[in-house]
Amino acid sequence: SAVISQKPSRDICQRGTSLTIQCQVDSQVTMMFWYRQQPGQSLTLIATANQGSEATYESGFVIDKFPISRPNLTFSTLTVSNMSPEDSSIYLCSVEGPGSGQYEQYFGPGTRLTVT
Amino acid sequence: QKEVEQNSGPLSVPEGAIASLNCTYSDRGSQSFFWYRQYSGKSPELIMFIYSNGDKEDGRFTAQLNKASQYVSLLIRDSQPSDSATYLCAAGGGTSYGKLTFGQGTILTVHP
Repeated sequence: SAVISQKPSRDICQRGTSLTIQCQVDSQVTMMFWYRQQPGQSLTLIATANQGSEATYESGFVIDKFPISRPNLTFSTLTVSNMSPEDSSIYLCSVEGPGSGQYEQYFGPGTRLTVT
Repeated sequence: QKEVEQNSGPLSVPEGAIASLNCTYSDRGSQSFFWYRQYSGKSPELIMFIYSNGDKEDGRFTAQLNKASQYVSLLIRDSQPSDSATYLCAAGGGTSYGKLTFGQGTILTVHP
């Protein structure tokens, strides 16, 4: 599977500010995904990011709040804008596995965000 | 509403026993099913995936899929304390091409 890194690994931010999270993959991938995992909860998909096109957002998530960039096949960023304490979560990027065609995904280490 | 449901547990088993984790899904179009293990403070790790009816074995892990019943399970044989984690079931494919829907996760505790 691909090696995925995320920066930062954690951050503490003040409400009203924005944070950009980076996701880097060691191989080219078509689809990258951004998830949120709130404390004690499962994973919720925020959006799907394909290179060269606009990200596709899930119900309840909007581009103004979570703008995403996907400039190439190995990199993506997620920005959490105008943060509030409710945005305190772990943010995870994932990529599809190579070759099997069965949609398996592999996750980066995550970014733990605390908003005060 | 596409859903994946799991018993949140906690499920507690003694060391050496078989742990049985269950999952149901609502989208009949789902094609692939995944089990992730998540240790506290860590990201999910893919441990098994299955897309054909029946059993799939990998070491101490066996995934079982019954599409007619929309049911997926994970058996962990010879459970070890290091297996203590949250296990997440996910479904993908079908009308939600490329996207995975996750269950709430089952907390497993293996006690010595």
